[in-house]
Amino acid sequence: NAGVTQTPKFQVLKTGQSMTLQCAQDMNHEYMSWYRQDPGMGLRLIHYSVGAGITDQGEVPNGYNVSRSTTEDFPLRLLSAAPSQTSVYFCASSYTDSQAYEQYFGPGTRLTVT
Amino acid sequence: AQSVSQHNHHVILSEAASLELGCNYSYGGTVNLFWYVQYPGQHLQLLLKYFSGDPLVKGIKGFEAEFIKSKFSFNLRKPSVQWSDTAEYFCAVNPMTTDSWGKLQFGAGTQVVVTP
Repeated sequence: NAGVTQTPKFQVLKTGQSMTLQCAQDMNHEYMSWYRQDPGMGLRLIHYSVGAGITDQGEVPNGYNVSRSTTEDFPLRLLSAAPSQTSVYFCASSYTDSQAYEQYFGPGTRLTVT
Repeated sequence: AQSVSQHNHHVILSEAASLELGCNYSYGGTVNLFWYVQYPGQHLQLLLKYFSGDPLVKGIKGFEAEFIKSKFSFNLRKPSVQWSDTAEYFCAVNPMTTDSWGKLQFGAGTQVVVTP
């Protein structure tokens, strides 16, 4: 199994550009989520999904969109990039059959908005 | 709002020294607790987790953590660190409520540097 994969690894955007960060998992996990990691702030939840067709907002959803058309994929879209969105983005996935789950994280995408 | 506090942002210690990282959370109900580690240039990996039972939890690589409910704490320990333990350590909490399922609240992280 490849686990959780993310592309691209690095990206530089100009303010106002849009882009999609890709996330895929091959573990048949129902639950997928996106976090951003900023220095001194840990990871903060952006959006999450408990299954195909179901998404919801996390702690910091503004400026981001998600969709979940398949179990495997959970792309994160930046609608109009802003310097405040410079961060490292992590996708994670897990099963939903127990509260005592483990979330598996992808390798991250380092995004810089100039 | 719920919060997760990690007491130290940066810890430097020598090989063979003992390590203890503090974590406190503010949620009053039942919680699942986690410690994740991020080695340089790598993604987060689970060190250990607590969801019920024995409050002393053993994880990978010789790490353990103790859940003290009365203190809302979940401190991470390792008796003797190695240079390879240099990493950033994150405490995370998931309140066990219907609308909080899967939503991990992370602490700010503690950067641990182990010198030879």
